[in-house]
Amino acid sequence: KNEVEQSPQNLTAQEGEFITINCSYSVGISALHWLQQHPGGGIVSLFMLSSGKKKHGRLIATINIQEKHSSLHITASHPRDSAVYICAGLDIDNDMRFGAGTRLTVKP
Amino acid sequence: KAGVTQTPRYLIKTRGQQVTLSCSPISGHRSVSWYQQTPGQGLQFLFEYFSETQRNKGNFPGRFSGRQFSNSRSEMNVSTLELGDSALYLCASSSGQGTEKLFFGSGTQLSVL
Repeated sequence: KNEVEQSPQNLTAQEGEFITINCSYSVGISALHWLQQHPGGGIVSLFMLSSGKKKHGRLIATINIQEKHSSLHITASHPRDSAVYICAGLDIDNDMRFGAGTRLTVKP
Repeated sequence: KAGVTQTPRYLIKTRGQQVTLSCSPISGHRSVSWYQQTPGQGLQFLFEYFSETQRNKGNFPGRFSGRQFSNSRSEMNVSTLELGDSALYLCASSSGQGTEKLFFGSGTQLSVL
């Protein structure tokens, strides 16, 4: 069993829909990253969270360290949001533990 | 500010050879971390360097090594290449002062034949 689990694995949405991607982890972590990877491989770091909630534009990330759960929300989704979204937890040894990713497709 | 630069972008090697990949971080960043991405295993952490010292290391065999120079540029070396080493190798930089966002390079796509 992967120490960092993401759901869903694949997600298809219509433009304008509200999207939620979940990340649960079984190891203790001090912080969690949400990453976005477009076709071609380039990765963009969206958020780094250690508690609470962060917002950037249409993206919102929340984390509950005690419940070992984080969510990434996209409001008013757009086709350009189509990408793979990956969560990654920083464990107590400062090693990064990655989820398998959620492939999001937003249709016009 | 220039982003994180990785060279080369693509590389083809044969089994048994060795390879060196390069990563130039964003100016002022002192931390460089390396990752391997494959379709089967996803993203995995290789190691992190800060001020020329290896600060953390993932669970990879000793064939995978790295170093960091005084200008914060980093190199990663893989010796005695195996078919399973075919992957996208990514590096990321940060100031290294704590938990913060990472800035990723475009990666080096390594194919081992």
